[in-house]
Amino acid sequence: GIQVEQSPPDLILQEGANSTLRCNFSDSVNNLQWFHQNPWGQLINLFYIPSGTKQNGRLSATTVATERYSLLYISSSQTTDSGVYFCAVGFLFGNEKLTFGTGTRLTIIP
Amino acid sequence: DAMVIQNPRYQVTQFGKPVTLSCSQTLNHNVMYWYQQKSSQAPKLLFHYYDKDFNNEADTPDNFQSRRPNTSFCFLDIRSPGLGDAAMYLCATRGGGPYNEQFFGPGTRLTVL
Repeated sequence: GIQVEQSPPDLILQEGANSTLRCNFSDSVNNLQWFHQNPWGQLINLFYIPSGTKQNGRLSATTVATERYSLLYISSSQTTDSGVYFCAVGFLFGNEKLTFGTGTRLTIIP
Repeated sequence: DAMVIQNPRYQVTQFGKPVTLSCSQTLNHNVMYWYQQKSSQAPKLLFHYYDKDFNNEADTPDNFQSRRPNTSFCFLDIRSPGLGDAAMYLCATRGGGPYNEQFFGPGTRLTVL
């Protein structure tokens, strides 16, 4: 079946460290989004990246659609980066739906 | 700023007492979604509207209904909330076409007593 897997499930880092979060998906996609869910539960859009590479400040993302994975890079982590990061994928024949991965819980320690 | 708005942010209801959650958008997007998210889980799609066309997920309980009276507003009605319906409810929108980004509202956290 259609699957979206994220790794690692949990990550604890010191402030200032860099991290890489991975998202693997099982089929061709026409949409891939990375979200940060803050402590109040809101999903913040980080990247819309069905293919290619994008950067926004300390964050960057790369999707290799042919190999069915995406990576989210966070550099110089800050405590405000803590939260859950979700990858969500729209499959090519998925009728406008997003399938969410199980998330990576990131904790940044001062 | 264009955005997705959800009201209320926190809702407390009693077991079996109907409740309605509201979502509005200023993005003029064709597609609106309702998701349910329980603690430590990923959001789960309940249903979505493409314009006025309603699309229900196969595993969405009959207890959950939705209305979209116009482009800007969408409502989630829970007819007889049970303890298992306590969750965060997220509304999202997307523009028309197959390749557009989804934008989420801040969510409504529902407590069932």
